[in-house]
Amino acid sequence: LAKTTQPISMDSYEGQEVNITCSHNNIATNDYITWYQQFPSQGPRFIIQGYKTKVTNEVASLFIPADRKSSTLSLPRVSLSDTAVYYCLVGVSWNNDMRFGAGTRLTVKP
Amino acid sequence: SAVISQKPSRDICQRGTSLTIQCQVDSQVTMMFWYRQQPGQSLTLIATANQGSEATYESGFVIDKFPISRPNLTFSTLTVSNMSPEDSSIYLCSVGSDSYEQYFGPGTRLTVT
Repeated sequence: LAKTTQPISMDSYEGQEVNITCSHNNIATNDYITWYQQFPSQGPRFIIQGYKTKVTNEVASLFIPADRKSSTLSLPRVSLSDTAVYYCLVGVSWNNDMRFGAGTRLTVKP
Repeated sequence: SAVISQKPSRDICQRGTSLTIQCQVDSQVTMMFWYRQQPGQSLTLIATANQGSEATYESGFVIDKFPISRPNLTFSTLTVSNMSPEDSSIYLCSVGSDSYEQYFGPGTRLTVT
């Protein structure tokens, strides 16, 4: 199982771009990189998923370097409502070898 | 995406009793999972529930304590048996999709007194 390492917490201010980096040095060839967001008292919510290079959707961008040993979730122009815990997972979901790490608690301040 | 509901949303139970948590999905799914999340902590996978076969449990979780049923492709139950205060936690079910995403239910907040 590929283990992930993320910063425990990050602070930002409204309107700033936030980049959260996840390290996954032993990622396997078939593994995808998936990010989830979790608000208090809710289940995690899928944000974005990628395999290599860059992926962008309406919520975030995911940057994956060529060696795939890390990935960066980029949240453009955060607002107070982006305050949440962000989890980086590596694996193949249908085998469910993905495991949740500690996550990054992002606090957005006014 | 799949819409997942759980019942009950929360419960307060006495030590030694059992609680069954239901998970209902609005579409047929192959992979269904049960997690536990203790306050302020990350999610821990309890087991994978496959329709038509026994659930596959993670290390540290046993069937006698957490029996799981999966009678069809849209429904599953998790029972927390012979509860103790250490079982106080949020229990979440999730489903896997063909595109390797997981969708989570809102969770069941269990307090054991």
